[in-house]
Amino acid sequence: NAGVTQTPKFQVLKTGQSMTLQCAQDMNHEYMSWYRQDPGMGLRLIHYSVGAGITDQGEVPNGYNVSRSTTEDFPLRLLSAAPSQTSVYFCASSYSRGDYYEQYFGPGTRLTVT
Amino acid sequence: GQQVMQIPQYQHVQEGEDFTTYCNSSTTLSNIQWYKQRPGGHPVFLIQLVKSGEVKKQKRLTFQFGEAKKNSSLHITATQTTDVGTYFCAGPTGANSKLTFGKGITLSVRP
Repeated sequence: NAGVTQTPKFQVLKTGQSMTLQCAQDMNHEYMSWYRQDPGMGLRLIHYSVGAGITDQGEVPNGYNVSRSTTEDFPLRLLSAAPSQTSVYFCASSYSRGDYYEQYFGPGTRLTVT
Repeated sequence: GQQVMQIPQYQHVQEGEDFTTYCNSSTTLSNIQWYKQRPGGHPVFLIQLVKSGEVKKQKRLTFQFGEAKKNSSLHITATQTTDVGTYFCAGPTGANSKLTFGKGITLSVRP
């Protein structure tokens, strides 16, 4: 299994450009999430999904869209990039096993908006 | 909203010293998870605690969930340079699949 994969690894955008960060998992996990990590801020939840066709907002959803058409894929769209969206983005997936919900993280995408 | 707090954000220890860090929640948690992120890497799941007062060990790491299920601790015995990284705790906000992470504590170990 490849686990959770993310593309691209690095990206530079100009203000106002749009792009999609890709995330895929091959573990048949129900739950998928997007986080951003900024220095001193920890991991903040952007959007998450509990299954195909179901998404919900996290703590910092503004400026981002998601969709979940399949179990495997959970792309994150930046509609009009802003310098404040410069960050490292992590996708994660998890499954439920009774009370246990271990999250598996992808390697991350480092995004710079100029 | 629910807050998960980790203070301080940085700690430096001499190799061989013990290290303890704490995680506090503003609300009672159904469970708490700990993750480790090596420099330049991604967070990796370490453990999940579910029961009040639960203690779990992984080699030199000991994790504890408070009796009131509002705090947790991570203790590392005799730190090694391989322990370097950022340790996050996280608790569910509503559904278990939606986690709130603390800001993490970055541990550095002097050889």
